[in-house]
Amino acid sequence: QQQVKQSPQSLIVQKGGISIINCAYENTAFDYFPWYQQFPGKGPALLIAIRPDVSEKKEGRFTISFNKSAKQFSLHIMDSQPGDSATYFCAASINTDKLIFGTGTRLQVFP
Amino acid sequence: GAVVSQHPSWVICKSGTSVKIECRSLDFQATTMFWYRQFPKQSLMLMATSNEGSKATYEQGVEKDKFLINHASLTLSTLTVTSAHPEDSSFYICSGKYSNQPQHFGDGTRLSIL
Repeated sequence: QQQVKQSPQSLIVQKGGISIINCAYENTAFDYFPWYQQFPGKGPALLIAIRPDVSEKKEGRFTISFNKSAKQFSLHIMDSQPGDSATYFCAASINTDKLIFGTGTRLQVFP
Repeated sequence: GAVVSQHPSWVICKSGTSVKIECRSLDFQATTMFWYRQFPKQSLMLMATSNEGSKATYEQGVEKDKFLINHASLTLSTLTVTSAHPEDSSFYICSGKYSNQPQHFGDGTRLSIL
């Protein structure tokens, strides 16, 4: 019940395209859903986060869509750039405490 | 803002020795700090949670006597891997947060045990 399932495992997108990564959770007590970006040899950096009282949140080229009834949320990266090539992790927690991470998606954006 | 600094970034040591990793919040007070471990091409796994001035809470399967965590101040937490062995080689990452604010991560410490 503590798992967060993430797909796809890897994603190849052309420059300018849309990257979409999906996550699903089981624990209905989760109330905080962040997305992190991680480059090789670095720690994860917070990209964007959402609470379950809204269905969508947009910050620049990054959008989270949240479906509470389906217990799913997704990250959309618009106008993907080669600099976006990284590993992306979704996560879930209660009150920003113990983060349960998804398995990660390796995104490659080709020029 | 919300910068977390980890030191060292990379350490190599002999089997049987102890290694200390520091995690500092540079521009905020971290009321709670977390320690994660990440194996190559895998996700982050939470090892323990510590609140300033309290004993750390360890996740199931994490040996508290092997991974000693100290959170003596609102800006510093340390992880000591005692009697390290090659299977302890991994990427250790800390994070800190203030109250209900988001967690901010350090850049990790690559630990290699020979």
